Amino acid sequence: EVQLVESGGGLVQPGGSLRLSCAASGFTFSSYAMSWVRQAPGKGLEWVSTITGSGGSIFYADSVRGRFTISRDNSKNTLYLQMNSLRAEDTAVYYCAKDPKPRSAATNWFDPWGQGTLVTVSS
Amino acid sequence: DIQMTQSPSSVSASVGDRVTITCRASQGMSSWLAWYQQKPGKAPKLLIYAASSLQSGVPSRFSGSGSGTDFTLTISSLQPEDFATYYCQQANSFPLTFGGGTKVEIK
Repeated sequence: EVQLVESGGGLVQPGGSLRLSCAASGFTFSSYAMSWVRQAPGKGLEWVSTITGSGGSIFYADSVRGRFTISRDNSKNTLYLQMNSLRAEDTAVYYCAKDPKPRSAATNWFDPWGQGTLVTVSS
Repeated sequence: DIQMTQSPSSVSASVGDRVTITCRASQGMSSWLAWYQQKPGKAPKLLIYAASSLQSGVPSRFSGSGSGTDFTLTISSLQPEDFATYYCQQANSFPLTFGGGTKVEIK
């Protein structure tokens, strides 16, 4: 069974940093693109970033480019999101999500999703 | 960037009703569209991919249609467990974008 477990969320002051992790199991992690998607309280879904299985291609939303860095450690089956220069508008539940198809067949849909980790940016 | 406009933003319906949700893309994107269901406090769940393909394990009362710029999610006979918020998502190009969501509420 595919499992994605996020961790690392919490309360941080504006301008601060936080690193989220997503521990993956139940599939060949290195074969699949992985993404972060966030949801501000009471709001809709916003795609944040995607990294291919090898880590060779990375994509960011304009709202986080230059402040957030996605990475992965395929030896540890773990996805990361380093978040710097955090702003109040970054407050959200952050989900990691897996592409349902491997390698070159990647689809950019999301299935499954982790349970999410809450990041609150406030003084 | 491809903008996704979803309508309605909310709908009140009864068990057994047929519900239709639409999603319009700001530019053509073939069939690179997915639909998700999200219940309060839970992660989204993939229902439909490639505009009309039913994800494994999803009940057949859910169906998707459309291509290009106009897409539809239909629930043929609403069940109690279907009351949730539904989102469309385009996977045609980065940045990936979602519709604003449709909340299906009990009438």
